[in-house]
Amino acid sequence: AQSVTQLDSQVPVFEEAPVELRCNYSSSVSVYLFWYVQYPNQGLQLLLKYLSGSTLVKGINGFEAEFNKSQTSFHLRKPSVHISDTAEYFCAVTITHSGGSYIPTFGRGTSLIVHP
Amino acid sequence: DAGITQSPRHKVTETGTPVTLRCHQTENHRYMYWYRQDPGHGLRLIHYSYGVKDTDKGEVSDGYSVSRSKTEDFLLTLESATSSQTSVYFCAISVGLAGKVGELFFGEGSRLTVL
Repeated sequence: AQSVTQLDSQVPVFEEAPVELRCNYSSSVSVYLFWYVQYPNQGLQLLLKYLSGSTLVKGINGFEAEFNKSQTSFHLRKPSVHISDTAEYFCAVTITHSGGSYIPTFGRGTSLIVHP
Repeated sequence: DAGITQSPRHKVTETGTPVTLRCHQTENHRYMYWYRQDPGHGLRLIHYSYGVKDTDKGEVSDGYSVSRSKTEDFLLTLESATSSQTSVYFCAISVGLAGKVGELFFGEGSRLTVL
């Protein structure tokens, strides 16, 4: 079965410091990879995605992620965080489900806490 | 932009009562999903739909049923609510590339409390 592991449940960091949120997945087949962000009391919104092509993908709000097929990882990075980046971040992976349906599986989330 | 409306946004109910949550989309996206979000568990798939009258179970489907009689509406029903079903429920649609990559657009969520 497909699984997604977010290695840190909580990441505290000071404002303007760099941050990396880690995501590993288990799959031997081609996958599509996503990062979503959830601000307090809101729904999730797409931060960035990897479908194919360049392994380094850039998203909104200065975030980027690198797909590493050999390590089955898709870590999220930002060189300098702001207070407003405080949120819950979810990694998600899609493989083809039986019957041709496309079912995203989510990690448990990483809470990014940016301190002034 | 895709539009999703979930209703109700907040509901408090008692154990044993039936509850229906509604998800309405303004476009003709084929794939729709219901997830529940609980602390420490992330998002877990309850049911999904790949077309009108075409639905299937997710990993936490026990105690839930769904219906999709129109493309735009996807209903989630708790036949007899239990306290373990207290959660935030999110509806999502799959957008981009005919929905075949699992890129999701989410509703704002429905917070359900079962007393």
